[in-house]
Amino acid sequence: AQSVSQHNHHVILSEAASLELGCNYSYGGTVNLFWYVQYPGQHLQLLLKYFSGDPLVKGIKGFEAEFIKSKFSFNLRKPSVQWSDTAEYFCAVSRGSQGNLIFGKGTKLSVKP
Amino acid sequence: GAVVSQHPSRVICKSGTSVKIECRSLDFQATTMFWYRQFPKQSLMLMATSNEGSKATYEQGVEKDKFLINHASLTLSTLTVTSAHPEDSSFYICSARDGGLQETQYFGPGTRLLVL
Repeated sequence: AQSVSQHNHHVILSEAASLELGCNYSYGGTVNLFWYVQYPGQHLQLLLKYFSGDPLVKGIKGFEAEFIKSKFSFNLRKPSVQWSDTAEYFCAVSRGSQGNLIFGKGTKLSVKP
Repeated sequence: GAVVSQHPSRVICKSGTSVKIECRSLDFQATTMFWYRQFPKQSLMLMATSNEGSKATYEQGVEKDKFLINHASLTLSTLTVTSAHPEDSSFYICSARDGGLQETQYFGPGTRLLVL
């Protein structure tokens, strides 16, 4: 079955630690890739997206993600996390411009001050 | 970025009643809106895709007669949960696609439904 996998359910880090959240998908062909963030009590916000071009995508708040086609991966990274990055992070994939989003189960990030 | 609103943010109703949830794109026109359901500690599950001026497309397992969707304009879609039961209690989230060159979905804040 087509799916999006996020390997970590809950990640706990101290401030200034580096972050990498894994995301793998199982679709062949052209895909569009997204990372969304949901801060406590708030709605989903787009962090970054990849449609084509440079596979290293930079998003808001210092986040970046790298699309590695051969590994079907789109991992999210941040060199130095802050307490305010505490949130749930969702990876999502769509196929083509009209495709619906398929979400991973999310990774909860807790950053200790 | 684009803003999507939902109303109400929270609703409590009695079993057997119907509840209407509105989703609006505030600063862009959305030919397509989506309705999701999010269970605790789980991902968003797509319920249906709503296209302006046409019937909604429901995902497998979602009852179209129970979850009525209307997309009457380019900025408004409504989800009506008919004859609600306690198992319908959930967090309902809508999103709207901006239809630009790189189409992106923007999400509303969600509606928490509690059916007693």
